[in-house]
Amino acid sequence: QKEVEQNSGPLSVPEGAIASLNCTYSDRGSQSFFWYRQYSGKSPELIMFIYSNGDKEDGRFTAQLNKASQYVSLLIRDSQPSDSATYLCAVKLSGGSNYKLTFGKGTLLTVNP
Amino acid sequence: GAGVSQSPRYKVAKRGQDVALRCDPISGHVSLFWYQQALGQGPEFLTYFQNEAQLDKSGLPSDRFFAERPEGSVSTLKIQRTQQEDSAVYLCASSLRQGLGYTFGSGTRLTVV
Repeated sequence: QKEVEQNSGPLSVPEGAIASLNCTYSDRGSQSFFWYRQYSGKSPELIMFIYSNGDKEDGRFTAQLNKASQYVSLLIRDSQPSDSATYLCAVKLSGGSNYKLTFGKGTLLTVNP
Repeated sequence: GAGVSQSPRYKVAKRGQDVALRCDPISGHVSLFWYQQALGQGPEFLTYFQNEAQLDKSGLPSDRFFAERPEGSVSTLKIQRTQQEDSAVYLCASSLRQGLGYTFGSGTRLTVV
């Protein structure tokens, strides 16, 4: 089992809809969770991070963390074509190497006008 | 500088050639990371520096890979005797301190022919 798993997609939603991106992780002791957006040919850009159970909202983006079920999700409300990108989930694992991020493969999101 | 700067942006190397990739992190950022991203995959950890000390090099794929950060700022990733499987985007990231999210540079796309 990979440490961080994401559905590679593509996930296709119409403009204005809610896009829901999910990520599961295997290390129950993980404490920090990050969502990065990566446009084609560009580098990853941090859009949200979450440390504790529950929801964290920033504009149109909401990150949800459920530690008991070991999943983290990203909701994008009122999706725009400019949101079309690959979304990478990243986790800081517990233990001595908690400085590094372990990434999933990413989910490709396409928002159709 | 305002962001993480990497050079060159693109590099084509003949198999067996040595290459050197440069990273100039955000001024004052203590932590510096190198990641490798193959096509369609998430970034994979290579190595981590805290100031000039290389604290983790567990992700380096072979002894052909070498990284340094002699004065605690600019870092160089060197790959000796390049092979086709080394073709990837090499991402550098920096962070003000351990525990925070990273800021990635624009990456160096290495193609070994």
